[in-house]
Amino acid sequence: DGGITQSPKYLFRKEGQNVTLSCEQNLNHDAMYWYRQDPGQGLRLIYYSQIVNDFQKGDIAEGYSVSREKKESFPLTVTSAQKNPTAFYLCASSRLAEAYEQYFGPGTRLTVT
Amino acid sequence: AQKVTQAQTEISVVEKEDVTLDCVYETRDTTYYLFWYKQPPSGELVFLIRRNSFDEQNEISGRYSWNFQKSTSSFNFTITASQVVDSAVYFCALSANTNAGKSTFGDGTTLTVKP
Repeated sequence: DGGITQSPKYLFRKEGQNVTLSCEQNLNHDAMYWYRQDPGQGLRLIYYSQIVNDFQKGDIAEGYSVSREKKESFPLTVTSAQKNPTAFYLCASSRLAEAYEQYFGPGTRLTVT
Repeated sequence: AQKVTQAQTEISVVEKEDVTLDCVYETRDTTYYLFWYKQPPSGELVFLIRRNSFDEQNEISGRYSWNFQKSTSSFNFTITASQVVDSAVYFCALSANTNAGKSTFGDGTTLTVKP
C-alpha cells in the first residue's frame, strides 16, 4: 500500500527538549510538506521541500528545522526555541507541480508541558 | 498573494438534509487549481476533488457536487442527503505556479451531521 507514515501518533515532551517527528512516504513524490494545525484552525505551512537536499521555509518556520536527505523521508525537529509547540502536525507529499493534490499522513499530536 | 476564505466556521444539520460549504478565493494568477479535502475525526486529510481554472464545469460524484464559478471566485461544495459519516472538517485550498506550487488552505468548515 502506498502512503505516508508519521510516527508516533502521540508524543509528549518536557519544555526545553528538542523533538523530531518522522515522516516517510512511498508514493515516489518529489514534494513534501509540514503543516501545523491548532484547535479550530486551518493548516499553516512550516517547511516544504521539492527536491532532495533542498527545502524552503513556510509561513511559520521559526523554532523548527527539517532535513531531506532521502526522497522518501522529511523529518521535522521542533526545537526548544519554538515558543508554543503543542499542536497537531501533519506531513504531506505531492507530485511536483501546482496541479497535483497533496496526500497527507495521519498526523502527530505533540504535547509539551 | 493568494487567499482562501471559508466563511462558515461550523455547520450543523440533521441527517438527510442537503448542505453547502462555501469557498471564496483570491489570486492574481490566470492558471490555478482548487481543491477540497475532508478531515475526519481521525485527523488525516483526504483529497476529494481538484478543479483547474479553465474548467468551470460542475462535477457530481455520488452525493457530492461542486460548483465552480470564476465570476464570483467561488468553489462551493454541496453534500446531498447528508449522513453522519459526513461529519468532518472540510478544507478548500488553492494552488498556483507563482506560489511555487504551495497550496493555500482556508480555515476549514466543521460539519456536524446529527442522526
